[in-house]
Amino acid sequence: EAQVTQNPRYLITVTGKKLTVTCSQNMNHEYMSWYRQDPGLGLRQIYYSMNVEVTDKGDVPEGYKVSRKEKRNFPLILESPSPNQTSLYFCASRSGGEIYGYTFGSGTRLTVV
Amino acid sequence: AQRVTQPEKLLSVFKGAPVELKCNYSYSGSPELFWYVQYSRQRLQLLLRHISRESIKGFTADLNKGETSFHLKKPFAQEEDSAMYYCALLSGSARQLTFGSGTQLTVLP
Repeated sequence: EAQVTQNPRYLITVTGKKLTVTCSQNMNHEYMSWYRQDPGLGLRQIYYSMNVEVTDKGDVPEGYKVSRKEKRNFPLILESPSPNQTSLYFCASRSGGEIYGYTFGSGTRLTVV
Repeated sequence: AQRVTQPEKLLSVFKGAPVELKCNYSYSGSPELFWYVQYSRQRLQLLLRHISRESIKGFTADLNKGETSFHLKKPFAQEEDSAMYYCALLSGSARQLTFGSGTQLTVLP
C-alpha cells in the first residue's frame, strides 16, 4: 500500500532532550515536507526537500533540522525541544510529476514539558 | 508572496442544508488549488483539486480567478461531513503547498 509512515504517533518529552521523528514513504516521491499544525494557525511548513541531499527552509524552521540522505526517508530533528514546539506534526510527500497534491502521514503529536 | 485565507474558523449547519466553505487566495502566478479534509485529527486527505473539476462526496469547488476564490460547496450536508477543511495553494518552483488556517465544519442532526 502506498503510504507515508511517521513514527512515533505520540511523544512526550522534556525540554532540551534531543528527539527525532521519522518519516518514510514507499512511493519513490522526490518531494517531501514537514508541517506543524496548531489551532487557529492551520498547517505551516517547517522544511521541505526536493530530492536527496536537497533541503530548504519553510515558513517556521527555527528549532528544527532535517536530513535527506535517502529518497524514502526525511527525519525531523529537534536538537533542543522547547514547550512552544508542542504541536501536531505531519510529513508529506509528492511525486515530481504529480500535480494533484501531497500524500500525508498520520501525524505525530509531540508534547514538550 | 502567496497567501490562502479561510475567513471562517467554525461553521455549523443542519443536516440537509447547503454548505459553503470560503477560500480566497493571493498569488501572482497561475494558481493550483486544492481542498483537503481532516476527520477527527486524522491525516489530511485530498478532497478536491481544481484542475480536475470533479465532485467528491457531493462536494464541488470552482476556481474564480476574478474574485481569487475557490469556495467549497455541497447542496445537502451530511453528519459525516463534519471535519476540518483546509484550502491549499500549490506554488513556486519547489511546488510547495500553502495552507489556509482551516474551517471546522459541524453538521448538526
